[in-house]
Amino acid sequence: GQQLNQSPQSMFIQEGEDVSMNCTSSSIFNTWLWYKQEPGEGPVLLIALYKAGELTSNGRLTAQFGITRKDSFLNISASIPSDVGIYFCAGPTGNQFYFGTGTSLTVIP
Amino acid sequence: DTGVSQNPRHKITKRGQNVTFRCDPISEHNRLYWYRQTLGQGPEFLTYFQNEAQLEKSRLLSDRFSAERPKGSFSTLEIQRTEQGDSAMYLCASSFSFVGGYNEQFFGPGTRLTVL
Repeated sequence: GQQLNQSPQSMFIQEGEDVSMNCTSSSIFNTWLWYKQEPGEGPVLLIALYKAGELTSNGRLTAQFGITRKDSFLNISASIPSDVGIYFCAGPTGNQFYFGTGTSLTVIP
Repeated sequence: DTGVSQNPRHKITKRGQNVTFRCDPISEHNRLYWYRQTLGQGPEFLTYFQNEAQLEKSRLLSDRFSAERPKGSFSTLEIQRTEQGDSAMYLCASSFSFVGGYNEQFFGPGTRLTVL
């Protein structure tokens, strides 16, 4: 199956700091998705990207679809305690979806 | 409609027992997906339905696993003769698929299975 690697694996930051994380793939994707998952819950879609080079924002979140179509980036500005969770990238190949390994974010008040 | 729902939220069973989980998707969504998620990993695709037809199955879906979506609405996932390695969170997602468009998936809260 597809390999989606996310980095960093975990982050501990102070409230108010900006956060950057990325996702790389072993092959090309035509769509990139970013999800957030909180403990005991299912993932929630944050941002969807459909075109190489696309930059999309959702509030304090900004995601970019890499030009090579093998990577994507997620930035969170001015982090707040409720940003805590695990962030997953995902991409479809045919009708199957592949998820990354996740980046765990801890925000220290 | 408040989103995708799954029942039960938690299930503890003994090895060798059969378990069944239910997923109720968002009502107008024609696609339904099942995933398995183990601790520290992202969700892994198991299978998906387009209406009542099961169109794709992952090699992760052993013959002890069976999924149905009898009327194209809710779906059930059954695991027979459970093993300790089946312990995981089982997630359901649904989407609306249309020609030429991309279907964004919405996830339920999951069923956490513990096999003793």
